Amino acid sequence: GAVVSQHPSRVICKSGTSVKIECRSLDFQATTMFWYRQFPKKSLMLMATSNEGSKATYEQGVEKDKFLINHASLTLSTLTVTSAHPEDSSFYICSVPQVTEAFFGQGTRLTVV
Amino acid sequence: GEDVEQSLFLSVREGDSSVINCTYTDSSSTYLYWYKQEPGAGLQLLTYIFSNMDMKQDQRLTVLLNKKDKHLSLRIADTQTGDSAIYFCAEMAGNYGQNFVFGPGTRLSVLP
Repeated sequence: GAVVSQHPSRVICKSGTSVKIECRSLDFQATTMFWYRQFPKKSLMLMATSNEGSKATYEQGVEKDKFLINHASLTLSTLTVTSAHPEDSSFYICSVPQVTEAFFGQGTRLTVV
Repeated sequence: GEDVEQSLFLSVREGDSSVINCTYTDSSSTYLYWYKQEPGAGLQLLTYIFSNMDMKQDQRLTVLLNKKDKHLSLRIADTQTGDSAIYFCAEMAGNYGQNFVFGPGTRLSVLP
């Protein structure tokens, strides 16, 4: 069964609105979770590291005020895309790292119209 | 920084073997991974290899690691249409619990 649950799997929103994506670790407590973004026909790029109990760490070039991350508990991290624009349309995936591997969510396809 | 490269496309006929290649730059990587992504889906871990190993076999999958050349390959024996997907090579960046650096992915197309 799934180790990491990501919700929703697909979302369409209007430009200017905000969208929240949830990532739940079902089997592990996770003090750290990672958020990736996948561009069409390209690889996954790390956006930010979500840290339970402290601020997220953002990769260079990622706007922290646009992509809000809240690591509310040891099993839940949320990514909120604020004031979404069409260029934010993408596939977002979270992951929960473990000792020798990482478990990935199912991904969220965000389309901003 | 770390960099992982792969060829972008591979086509094989059903029943043949597929070999997907990957090169990486971080010689300190302790684990290297192969992930599979089916259309519109997340990532599925196929296999991983510890850096002190040369080869790992798991059913139809064989992973070869040439640490000197920083080259990793994934061989899929008796390739089936269900194997059509994007395959990502990845290395674990940093120490325990750190993020992954992914290659661009190889799109495998299996022809009947």
